[in-house]
Amino acid sequence: DTGVSQNPRHKITKRGQNVTFRCDPISEHNRLYWYRQTLGQGPEFLTYFQNEAQLEKSRLLSDRFSAERPKGSFSTLEIQRTEQGDSAMYLCAEELVAGAGDTQYFGPGTRLTVL
Amino acid sequence: SQQGEEDPQALSIQEGENATMNCSYKTSINNLQWYRQNSGRGLVHLILIRSNEREKHSGRLRVTLDTSKKSSSLLITASRAADTASYFCATENSGYSTLTFGKGTMLLVSP
Repeated sequence: DTGVSQNPRHKITKRGQNVTFRCDPISEHNRLYWYRQTLGQGPEFLTYFQNEAQLEKSRLLSDRFSAERPKGSFSTLEIQRTEQGDSAMYLCAEELVAGAGDTQYFGPGTRLTVL
Repeated sequence: SQQGEEDPQALSIQEGENATMNCSYKTSINNLQWYRQNSGRGLVHLILIRSNEREKHSGRLRVTLDTSKKSSSLLITASRAADTASYFCATENSGYSTLTFGKGTMLLVSP
């Protein structure tokens, strides 16, 4: 148990609805990452924050996706107008010490199913 | 896009045997990390090896890194049924802090 928590653990929604996921890291002053994992694949990077600043976004992150990290603490990932292709596991990870070569600790993930 | 390629895609062994998984990647890296994922769960960090290191041990795990061949291997010795999981290699590429994962090796250890 790394201490990174994610809520909800499972979300089933209908196509076109908006969903929001939350990630609570262990510590506030660190890097926080979002990844997406589809069945049979490894996780793919979406975006990351250094404290409250969003420093990088993948081209996978369409304009329907938005992430925030207010005050550098917890983070939310919102998907608007969900599509069936958004069905995946959304993983949050925390890097405890910023800098090259440090470990990312993952939360349990939120599994999204879009019907 | 995924940089790492794990080999084999699936591996089935008996308890007590050793399991070896390989990972190849394409670009320069800061480090390479191995993670384990049990079915439908989050990823558990196993070991990190930096680009200037060649071998690292942690318990029953042994990781090697050959930057000239852009490859790494993970050896699990004396495997147990509880080692059954998917194993992913992930690279932190030079100039970036994000991780690029492979598709994973699914390991099945039978009692």
